[in-house]
Amino acid sequence: DQQVKQNSPSLSVQEGRISILNCDYTNSMFDYFLWYKKYPAEGPTFLISISSIKDKNEDGRFTVFLNKSAKHLSLHIVPSQPGDSAVYFCAASGSISSNTGKLIFGQGTTLQVKP
Amino acid sequence: DAGITQSPRHKVTETGTPVTLRCHQTENHRYMYWYRQDPGHGLRLIHYSYGVKDTDKGEVSDGYSVSRSKTEDFLLTLESATSSQTSVYFCAISEGRAPTEAFFGQGTRLTVV
Repeated sequence: DQQVKQNSPSLSVQEGRISILNCDYTNSMFDYFLWYKKYPAEGPTFLISISSIKDKNEDGRFTVFLNKSAKHLSLHIVPSQPGDSAVYFCAASGSISSNTGKLIFGQGTTLQVKP
Repeated sequence: DAGITQSPRHKVTETGTPVTLRCHQTENHRYMYWYRQDPGHGLRLIHYSYGVKDTDKGEVSDGYSVSRSKTEDFLLTLESATSSQTSVYFCAISEGRAPTEAFFGQGTRLTVV
């Protein structure tokens, strides 16, 4: 049972345009959400996070939006750059259920930004 | 970059043989995790540790065991490797008390033939 789902395996956008990556979750106990970026042959690197008490968090070109009622979050990248081409993983954690820092990941979305 | 080293980086082994992967950290983080990455599944938690000699199972723990005798080292052992365990394995560390992010190593690509 996939608790965190990224239903789009891939996304292709033009350089300079907006990239929107989506993520859905089923467990209402999740209250902390993260996005990781992964290049080939490297480990995932932390990109941005959001707590369930917020509905938006922004860091430079990256913005994460959280819609708790829909159990949906999205990552916006504006403007997209060729160096953003990577696999993006959505992850969720429950700070109430445990404080072990365990993360549940989605399947990943491969973003390609074309010059 | 967080100080996490995985070894080996690549390994090919035969079905039925035991394999041990090592994760070493220099950050003194309490929590350590082993994940595997497979196409269509993302990253799945195998086992994690919340202190020396304290470990627990993740969502895909069958066929794997772990040990943590020192804060800095977390070992993942495949008791008898199978082809279904061909994967990329990532170690991660975290201060643990959520909300917090985890930091990942560079991965070990394991092929079981």
